[in-house]
Amino acid sequence: DAGVIQSPRHEVTEMGQEVTLRCKPISGHDYLFWYRQTMMRGLELLIYFNNNVPIDDSGMPEDRFSAKMPNASFSTLKIQPSEPRDSAVYFCASSPQGPANYGYTFGSGTRLTVV
Amino acid sequence: KNEVEQSPQNLTAQEGEFITINCSYSVGISALHWLQQHPGGGIVSLFMLSSGKKKHGRLIATINIQEKHSSLHITASHPRDSAVYICAVFPDKLIFGTGTRLQVFP
Repeated sequence: DAGVIQSPRHEVTEMGQEVTLRCKPISGHDYLFWYRQTMMRGLELLIYFNNNVPIDDSGMPEDRFSAKMPNASFSTLKIQPSEPRDSAVYFCASSPQGPANYGYTFGSGTRLTVV
Repeated sequence: KNEVEQSPQNLTAQEGEFITINCSYSVGISALHWLQQHPGGGIVSLFMLSSGKKKHGRLIATINIQEKHSSLHITASHPRDSAVYICAVFPDKLIFGTGTRLQVFP
């Protein structure tokens, strides 16, 4: 298995533009998580899905952020419009049983820079 | 006050030394995770604990649920252990500590 695959690895965009981050979880993992990491706040959970259904989106900073999981093998995190304070590394992770019961695997992350 | 506190924030060691990183939390949890983030940014899940102790190679993780405390130990440390070690707890969703930056020198 190739692990959790995220794309792109790096994204530089201008303020106001739409940004879409992509994630392919490990096949058979029912849970998918989106995290954001910044120097100031460390790692934060944004949203997670179970069987493609969003379970907890309380970490999504504001309405400019949206996440979808149209099928078991693909998820997107969209920011529209993007702002400089959205600059961070965004990680996707997947888990077969949920983090309370099992470990999970992280993707390599997408480093987003909004200028 | 953060719900998850790690200590120390930074740690340097000579190769071969025994390392201990601590994590204290203030909420009731069903699981605690230790993660390793390499200098290149990749994150690896090391352990998931709900009680007792787990060992993997030179790494040992312990948890005391009553005291709300966990430790990560590295025996015979090596420069390749240099990374940021992050504790995360799961009350109903993951809450992360700010990490401990470890540097092991040859």
